[in-house]
Formats: sequence, structure tokens, C-alpha cells
Amino acid sequence: EIVLTQSPATLSLSPGERATLSCRASQSVSSYLAWYQQKPGQAPRLLIYDESNRATGIPARFSGSRSGTDFTLTISSLEPEDFAVYYCQQRSNWPLTFGQGTKVEIK
Amino acid sequence: EVQLLESGGGLVQPGGSLRLSCAASGFTFSSHAMSWVRQAPGKGLEWVSSISGSGSGTYYADSLKGRFTISRDNSKNMLYLQMSSLRAEDTAVYYCAKLTEFGSGWCDYWGQGTLVTVSS
Repeated sequence: EIVLTQSPATLSLSPGERATLSCRASQSVSSYLAWYQQKPGQAPRLLIYDESNRATGIPARFSGSRSGTDFTLTISSLEPEDFAVYYCQQRSNWPLTFGQGTKVEIK
Repeated sequence: EVQLLESGGGLVQPGGSLRLSCAASGFTFSSHAMSWVRQAPGKGLEWVSSISGSGSGTYYADSLKGRFTISRDNSKNMLYLQMSSLRAEDTAVYYCAKLTEFGSGWCDYWGQGTLVTVSS
């Protein structure tokens, strides 16, 4: 099973600041990694798929990148609606796995 | 508009069984794989199971050890999750999700979830 380790667990930032979230895979997942956003009481929403492609309707301030088995989600300038929990997920191998999540909270 | 509506959750005793359903609309159901993902209270997301568009391919989390069965009825646009030998640790919100491809893909649409509580 591929383990995805997200860091940090919590990120405290102010609106307008840049957010950098990390996800490290225990082995190669190629580009088969996605990022989801989840707000309290809501279902997750797909943000980024295949490492760096934005899903439909996702603003350009969200971007994804990769270096080897290290993946990064960057939010260039935080909007009030961006404070939420973010999960990475791989689909390179079965079973599919999620990271444990990073909470982006208002500082 | 894609819609996914889960039902069938509720309170069940340990060792009991439950069948979850997901009614899909707004897309060609048989052309897309589907998944169940769960989230225990206050915890992260956990993938449970996926099924290909035809239903011929099924995949499960190792931790389920044969207790859960995923199925679909493409004539009714319905997805199911049969759960048996339920344990307290199965308590979670269960989400139905549409995948982007026939065989696999990403969860691009999600239902609002149905809560399963396993308790005596």
C-alpha cells in the first residue's frame, strides 16, 4: 500500500498570504496524484488532478507541482473561502490511498 | 447537472449488516467507475471501494477483509455498498463518488454522504 504523508498538519496563515502544502508518497505514483478541499459539513471537492491539472471551475490561484515523490499544492494568495482541510490522493496503485490532511486555518 | 444521492445509513448493532445506495443522475452512469469513500467522525478520508463502469472490476481497501461488497445496476443508475459484520470502527459518513473514467480516475463529483453508526 502506498502511504501518503502530508505536512504540516496545520497551517496558520492570514488572507492574502501564500500557502504551501506538501504530500510525500512512500513510492513512485508517477503523476497520479490529486488534491481535494473539504470544508466543515461538506463533501470533498476535487481541486487538482494528475499532479498539476486544475479541475473544472477551480481558480488559478491553486496550483500543483511535483519533484520525484514529493508533491506540492500552492495557493498563491489565500481567500477567505480557502480556509479548509486539504487532502492528497493517489491512484497509481490499488488500494487507493489518501493523505491524512492539512488544515489551513486563519491566523 | 451531476447529482449523487446516498441513502441507507443509520444505526446498526455490532455484527449487523446494512446496504447503502447511491442514486446517480446527470451523466452517463455506465461510462464511469464509481467509488465509496468514508470519513469517521473528526477524521480524514478513507477510500473503501471502487467499481468499474461495467461492474466487472471491483476493488476494496485491505482493511475491509471481505466484509463489504460493492455493486451497481446500470439499468437503474444505482450504486450499492453491502456491509456486513459491522464494527464500531466502521462508524463514518459514507460518500458515493463519480470517477472521471470508465475503469478508474479521480473523484470529480461527490454526494453529501450518509452516516452509518455502529453501536449497541
